[in-house]
Amino acid sequence: ETGVTQTPRHLVMGMTNKKSLKCEQHLGHNAMYWYKQSAKKPLELMFVYSLEERVENNSVPSRFSPECPNSSHLFLHLHTLQPEDSALYLCASSQESRGPGNTIYFGEGSWLTVV
Amino acid sequence: ELKVEQNPLFLSMQEGKNYTIYCNYSTTSDRLYWYRQDPGKSLESLFVLLSNGAVKQEGRLMASLDTKARLSTLHITAAVHDLSATYFCAVGDNNNDMRFGAGTRLTVKP
Repeated sequence: ETGVTQTPRHLVMGMTNKKSLKCEQHLGHNAMYWYKQSAKKPLELMFVYSLEERVENNSVPSRFSPECPNSSHLFLHLHTLQPEDSALYLCASSQESRGPGNTIYFGEGSWLTVV
Repeated sequence: ELKVEQNPLFLSMQEGKNYTIYCNYSTTSDRLYWYRQDPGKSLESLFVLLSNGAVKQEGRLMASLDTKARLSTLHITAAVHDLSATYFCAVGDNNNDMRFGAGTRLTVKP
């Protein structure tokens, strides 16, 4: 148990579907992140939220839409995805998004397959 | 743009042997992290290194940082099977975000 919980752990969706990934952190942190991990690329930062405000959006396609309703919850809404979006999506949290030495704690990830 | 390179990407070693994983990065940074990931599992934080010459040890793993050379090493002493996993280094960039290396997949064989 890492203190960061992701659901679902596995998701298969068609290209026309709309689905959402959910993340909840129980660590009292005020920053949350979405990362993408695929077989062909290093771990990629997608979005950063600090105090519920989006502070980073690394050129992610609009078919990925994040939502952070409070400091403990983070969603990734998925719409009209492509097969190349199939990957492990990792949620993470830290005490603050900007500061040296702040360890980022990861959830166990949501395995997404787009068919 | 900060680039992080790990090598080797794949490492197969026998139990009891020693080996080192290297992490090079391209621009100045004041912090470096090592993570471990087991198959199908999350990334687990191992070490945070914040200063030149920093050395941290936990069990059979020891990490060091040379900020002048822009190099960190993860040294494995007397490897055991339980250390089989993928190890990632991550480097903080100027925006205080982290850039990850590609990972080193370690397999320890009896």
